[in-house]
Amino acid sequence: QQQVKQSPQSLIVQKGGISIINCAYENTAFDYFPWYQQFPGKGPALLIAIRPDVSEKKEGRFTISFNKSAKQFSLHIMDSQPGDSATYFCAASRAGAGSYQLTFGKGTKLSVIP
Amino acid sequence: DAGVTQSPTHLIKTRGQQVTLRCSPKSGHDTVSWYQQALGQGPQFIFQYYEEEERQRGNFPDRFSGHQFPNYSSELNVNALLLGDSALYLCASSLVDRDNSPLHFGNGTRLTVT
Repeated sequence: QQQVKQSPQSLIVQKGGISIINCAYENTAFDYFPWYQQFPGKGPALLIAIRPDVSEKKEGRFTISFNKSAKQFSLHIMDSQPGDSATYFCAASRAGAGSYQLTFGKGTKLSVIP
Repeated sequence: DAGVTQSPTHLIKTRGQQVTLRCSPKSGHDTVSWYQQALGQGPQFIFQYYEEEERQRGNFPDRFSGHQFPNYSSELNVNALLLGDSALYLCASSLVDRDNSPLHFGNGTRLTVT
């Protein structure tokens, strides 16, 4: 049973456009929702994270929107750049598991074309 | 500030053999987690070590075992290798008693089982 569903599987965006990646979760015990960025040959790197007590968090060009009632959260990348081309993973963990027992989505491969 | 380091970077083993992967956590971190990332998939949690003990475990068989040393470094051992064990093995570190301590990943060990 996949506990975190991520879409789309791949995404092509023009430079300067907005990239949007969506995730849905099933386990209501989840209380920590990070997004990771992974370049080929590298490990995932934390981009931004949110907890369910807020509906939105912004860091630079990256914004997480969180809808607790719908059990959905999304990543918005504003002014997308070719250097943003990577695979993005949403993840979630439950209370008591800390930030280290993460359940990941299957990933979205983002390509930003000039 | 050294990040998470893993060795070796690549490894080729034969089915039925045993393998040991190594990880040094980010400076100042005290907990290590291991993840398996199959090609085209998100990382899957194997287990977490803190104070030299396995604290939490994901849905992996007993063929997967680990160890944490007094200097916080860690090893992942896999016995009786199967073809399906071919994957990128990621080590991640964090601070166990910091609720918002994010996971820092290494670049992984690419294991190929033939």
